[in-house]
Amino acid sequence: DAKTTQPNSMESNEEEPVHLPCNHSTISGTDYIHWYRQLPSQGPEYVIHGLTSNVNNRMASLAIAEDRKSSTLILHRATLRDAAVYYCILRDLYRDDKIIFGKGTRLHILP
Amino acid sequence: DSGVTQTPKHLITATGQRVTLRCSPRSGDLSVYWYQQSLDQGLQFLIQYYNGEERAKGNILERFSAQQFPDLHSELNLSSLELGDSALYFCASSLQGSGNTIYFGEGSWLTVV
Repeated sequence: DAKTTQPNSMESNEEEPVHLPCNHSTISGTDYIHWYRQLPSQGPEYVIHGLTSNVNNRMASLAIAEDRKSSTLILHRATLRDAAVYYCILRDLYRDDKIIFGKGTRLHILP
Repeated sequence: DSGVTQTPKHLITATGQRVTLRCSPRSGDLSVYWYQQSLDQGLQFLIQYYNGEERAKGNILERFSAQQFPDLHSELNLSSLELGDSALYFCASSLQGSGNTIYFGEGSWLTVV
């Protein structure tokens, strides 16, 4: 998997939007950008993924830069249950390869 | 519910023993992955199988082995267990294509005493 870079940790207040950045300057044309999160003592959970266009689902939005070298996961209204480690990962469309998880971003939500 | 089923959920065993962790992937998923997560550690990739064949190997100890059966379920065998093997073991599965979203099970907690 191509390398991604994320901040080690971030803080946000409850009920405010959160923008989690990810840099992936070596992304290839067939790489999808995936976001996963891991709540305490649980398995990683799929959040969202996209290729070129911005994506929305019930959990979050994904904003992808025009050159695709960076992306931002947006939680529109953070709750305490969103406190987790968030991982940004690149997955090739045609290759079903292993995922090597980095350290991700630990998101702290302040009540 | 991710659709990936892992058993057992919790397991306590003594040093030197052998255990088997079982994983049923989501219906239709051909790839199975195994990960280890020790306390406050990151997710360490162990091994990947695709349609019964080993596809990739990570930081898997020689005391550990895995296989994927014709019905696509997988087992991770851990032998000569040491205290340091205590960890959460995750199984995940994916379907090739469609951006290759990977789905994780809830994990098997292994405690070696």
